[in-house]
Amino acid sequence: SYELTQPPSVSVSPGQTASITCSGDKWGDKYACWYQQKPGQSPVLVIYQDSKRPSGIPERFSGSNSGNTATLTISGTQAMDEADYYCQAWDTSTVVFGGGTKLTVL
Amino acid sequence: EVQLLESGGGLVQPGGSLRLSCAASGFTFSSYAMSWVRQAPGKGLERVSAISRSGGSTYYADSVKGRFTISRDISKNTLYLQMNSLRAEDTAVYYCAKKGDSSSAGYYFDYWGQGTLVTVSS
Repeated sequence: SYELTQPPSVSVSPGQTASITCSGDKWGDKYACWYQQKPGQSPVLVIYQDSKRPSGIPERFSGSNSGNTATLTISGTQAMDEADYYCQAWDTSTVVFGGGTKLTVL
Repeated sequence: EVQLLESGGGLVQPGGSLRLSCAASGFTFSSYAMSWVRQAPGKGLERVSAISRSGGSTYYADSVKGRFTISRDISKNTLYLQMNSLRAEDTAVYYCAKKGDSSSAGYYFDYWGQGTLVTVSS
């Protein structure tokens, strides 16, 4: 079965750029999306089709996908961005989630 | 405004049954595939079941195949998940999630409900 690998945790200082990676075989052949989940809340879509932002998502969120790695980038990270982030792919009719990355803003 | 409101969770003994419901509003329910995604305490996300726009096609994760049944009632704009033979490992928050625009490439969930907690314990 298809697997997506994320680092368990990433730390960033306020105002700096955070990058969260998601590794998977032949990622470039698939579309990546990303969800943000804050404690006690439902996931929120922040990036779809590799790099598109849904309405209402701040411009500081961006995404890219190349080779075997999809990346979520948060520019000018704010304290409110502290959350768990999950990547997700669609492979052979199956939705696959990465294990999640806890982003700490300190 | 799109809204997804789950209900039906609770405490159930191993081997028991529950039916989850998800009331949808703010969009044309019959035009979108829907899924149930669960999250065990402190764990990640797992899609357990999905249903096509018409209801004619369904998907189940191996972990729930043969025990869970997904369905939808277009007239009531409601998604269901019938869960039988529940196990301790089914303990999780269950979210209903709407598939993104069908005309868009890829597969993503653009709206999620608030979730309903299912606890399987004696």
